[in-house]
Amino acid sequence: EPEVTQTPSHQVTQMGQEVILRCVPISNHLYFYWYRQILGQKVEFLVSFYNNEISEKSEIFDDQFSVERPDGSNFTLKIRSTKLEDSAMYFCASSERLRKRGELFFGEGSRLTVL
Amino acid sequence: AQSVAQPEDQVNVAEGNPLTVKCTYSVSGNPYLFWYVQYPNRGLQFLLKYITGDNLVKGSYGFEAEFNKSQTSFHLKKPSALVSDSALYFCAVREGGSQGNLIFGKGTKLSVKP
Repeated sequence: EPEVTQTPSHQVTQMGQEVILRCVPISNHLYFYWYRQILGQKVEFLVSFYNNEISEKSEIFDDQFSVERPDGSNFTLKIRSTKLEDSAMYFCASSERLRKRGELFFGEGSRLTVL
Repeated sequence: AQSVAQPEDQVNVAEGNPLTVKCTYSVSGNPYLFWYVQYPNRGLQFLLKYITGDNLVKGSYGFEAEFNKSQTSFHLKKPSALVSDSALYFCAVREGGSQGNLIFGKGTKLSVKP
């Protein structure tokens, strides 16, 4: 069964450092998303991406965050200068084109720990 | 604005008993409703969805959910709980016709004891 894959599974970084989280969505999907889950809290939407541009973003997704799809397969989330409060599990998700009513398929997540 | 409420932080059930995990929602248009499950140290797995049609939807692992428009609810149910059902359950809503962003509830921890 096709799946969304994410790397790394866990990253520890120092405050102020740049972090890039990588995702490989399901191959025939064209809508991509990043969500995050701070430990013990709800899953929060960060950003959605379609046709090589951001289609929607939350207030969490400030200028420190960016996304891109550099090579047609990877979908990356970059945090330019990490803060302690960026420590969370980051989930990538994708969904099929034209099936806006379809479910999102999530990766296993990348746990980011900022020290 | 869209929102989802899961009023219970934790639900405890004995194995073999029926279980219900509650969810209520708020959207301005027609809701698309979803349930996801998260096992420890794992990602979110899709369980079931309501888009249109029959108010009772069936999903993976024997779970079902009932859409109730008048009560704006979408409770998750299973007739007979298994210990392996113990996990974190998230209800999510998407406003019909939107790009696809899901709004999640805070999650309910289900604990099934033998």
